Amino acid sequence: DAGITQSPRHKVTETGTPVTLRCHQTENHRYMYWYRQDPGHGLRLIHYSYGVKDTDKGEVSDGYSVSRSKTEDFLLTLESATSSQTSVYFCAISESKTGEYYGYTFGSGTRLTVV
Amino acid sequence: AQSVTQLDSQVPVFEEAPVELRCNYSSSVSVYLFWYVQYPNQGLQLLLKYLSGSTLVKGINGFEAEFNKSQTSFHLRKPSVHISDTAEYFCAVSDKGTSFQKLVFGTGTRLLVSP
Repeated sequence: DAGITQSPRHKVTETGTPVTLRCHQTENHRYMYWYRQDPGHGLRLIHYSYGVKDTDKGEVSDGYSVSRSKTEDFLLTLESATSSQTSVYFCAISESKTGEYYGYTFGSGTRLTVV
Repeated sequence: AQSVTQLDSQVPVFEEAPVELRCNYSSSVSVYLFWYVQYPNQGLQLLLKYLSGSTLVKGINGFEAEFNKSQTSFHLRKPSVHISDTAEYFCAVSDKGTSFQKLVFGTGTRLLVSP
């Protein structure tokens, strides 16, 4: 088990406030990802990281920033929350063993509501 | 850019009937293919994956999928469904040889199994 923990599990925030979501992993995986899940859109990539302080944008990165100062933690920040950012946010790590790629393991998600 | 199409947003089926959930991807380059399942209010769980080799892939809970390169498809099948299979199913693809192993997801198919 990849040991991924997301916090908080649920959050309600007001429009215009900054919000930070945390993803913590315990197995030293290099690649980490943030996705958002919305009805009719499936999962869309927000940002990803390929190492400490190495991050890049995904397809829906506007309004979001990320940081990875330690291997185990990948933080997603909504700089000024808007109602369109109401969503379920999933963190994932990418697993590979002896050169084989096994896809993602997901955290349990954070349900964010912006009012 | 890679894209994934799951044409059926919802598939109703009776218990013990067979089911097929369809998935097509856009690019014919070498790919890794995945099916994930999401039970209500939970994260995503890997159902099965195609990395290479045999085009028929078996996964957990009696599901299987067949990779068809010429049709760029990876349809998911189960010969006899149970009530407990009610969930949302996501097809995902990743191009082989990419450094960051990004998965592109379809919009999901909700499987509704009734008695």
